[in-house]
Amino acid sequence: KAGVTQTPRYLIKTRGQQVTLSCSPISGHRSVSWYQQTPGQGLQFLFEYFSETQRNKGNFPGRFSGRQFSNSRSEMNVSTLELGDSALYLCASSFELGTGDHEQYFGPGTRLTVT
Amino acid sequence: AQSVSQHNHHVILSEAASLELGCNYSYGGTVNLFWYVQYPGQHLQLLLKYFSGDPLVKGIKGFEAEFIKSKFSFNLRKPSVQWSDTAEYFCATTDSWGKLQFGAGTQVVVTP
Repeated sequence: KAGVTQTPRYLIKTRGQQVTLSCSPISGHRSVSWYQQTPGQGLQFLFEYFSETQRNKGNFPGRFSGRQFSNSRSEMNVSTLELGDSALYLCASSFELGTGDHEQYFGPGTRLTVT
Repeated sequence: AQSVSQHNHHVILSEAASLELGCNYSYGGTVNLFWYVQYPGQHLQLLLKYFSGDPLVKGIKGFEAEFIKSKFSFNLRKPSVQWSDTAEYFCATTDSWGKLQFGAGTQVVVTP
């Protein structure tokens, strides 16, 4: 069974630009969550999508947005990039959250560097 | 809201030594607890999880954790570490929506 895949793996952008990251969940998984990992803040939850609907959102500004497609693939968009957005962005998929099966499987992440 | 705290940020130990990493959780109703590991350059992997039942949970790679309700703790243990256990370890809990709340992480370095 293929794992969670994320593209691209590495990305360099300049301040003010926007970026789109992609995540393909494990086949059959309908929930996709996004996390930001930085040395200073650790792992922080961004948002979660299930059946194309955002069900849960973390404390990030509106510049961070996402969406999920009918095949459960998800994209995350960050507009007007700031230096502080440099981080490893992790995607995690799960069959279903909130029903007791809370196990999430993580992808390798996208390393975003903002210059 | 559920949260976890990890006591040690950096641990250095020799091969064959025993490892114990502390994790305390805040009470918030149903408790779901996890330990994840992140090896250098690799993705987060689930070591073990506790939802209910036997408080002693065995995971992969010889790791185990004990859920002690009276102490609000879920410490991770391994009797004898190897150099390949060098990694960052994260304790985590979930809220009712399944949103993971991670601890700050513990960087473990095992010296040969």
